[in-house]
Amino acid sequence: QSALTQPASVSGSPGQSITISCTGTSSDVGAYKYVSWYQQHPDKAPKLMIYEVSNRPSGVSNRFSGSKSGNTASLTISGLQAEDEGDYYCSSYTSTSTLFGTGTKVTVL
Amino acid sequence: QVQLVQSGAEVKTPGASVKVSCQASGYTFTGSYMNWVRQAPGQGPEWLGWINPNTGGTNYAQKFQGRVTMTRDTSINTAYMELSRLKSDDTAVYYCARERTHYSALDIWGQGTMVTVSS
Repeated sequence: QSALTQPASVSGSPGQSITISCTGTSSDVGAYKYVSWYQQHPDKAPKLMIYEVSNRPSGVSNRFSGSKSGNTASLTISGLQAEDEGDYYCSSYTSTSTLFGTGTKVTVL
Repeated sequence: QVQLVQSGAEVKTPGASVKVSCQASGYTFTGSYMNWVRQAPGQGPEWLGWINPNTGGTNYAQKFQGRVTMTRDTSINTAYMELSRLKSDDTAVYYCARERTHYSALDIWGQGTMVTVSS
């Protein structure tokens, strides 16, 4: 199974909103509610930001939101801040495995 | 607090095996599945599989079937991942990560263990 497809990079100015897409297939993203998003800073472990498409773990800012339509999931960051800069990965459950996305580098201009 | 602490960096030669440990604390070890994920330099994460610490049951990614073995020792709340017949492209940071609920998401991650395969 192939990795989920994400844009390589997305950028925005402080205070703006950005959206990162994650495209899969009807066997993964389109089939299950188990889509999650992770933030990763350099030389750090990934951090869970969104689970089950649109739920935020305790402690994650409400500036982060998730959604899904068909085979594509999206992560939106509102009110962009300097600390949001980093790599973001989506992930989806499949019937036999877990897939990760190709990753998106978010730059705050 | 809830945390996963992994063993230290390893350097191995091609063809060797490596075994990485992951000690859990702050929650009921047998209550959550443990996943293993690796990340090669400059690449995205890659899922290796999971183990159910309660039963010892496992599910491995097809790519690693026959090369990976996941085990656990419930007496010391520790999970292990062993990868055999190492190749240079197995060079990566290996993470253990707890499942929030089964299939849901990976909510707690270890600090990572760098495994370098080089002759």
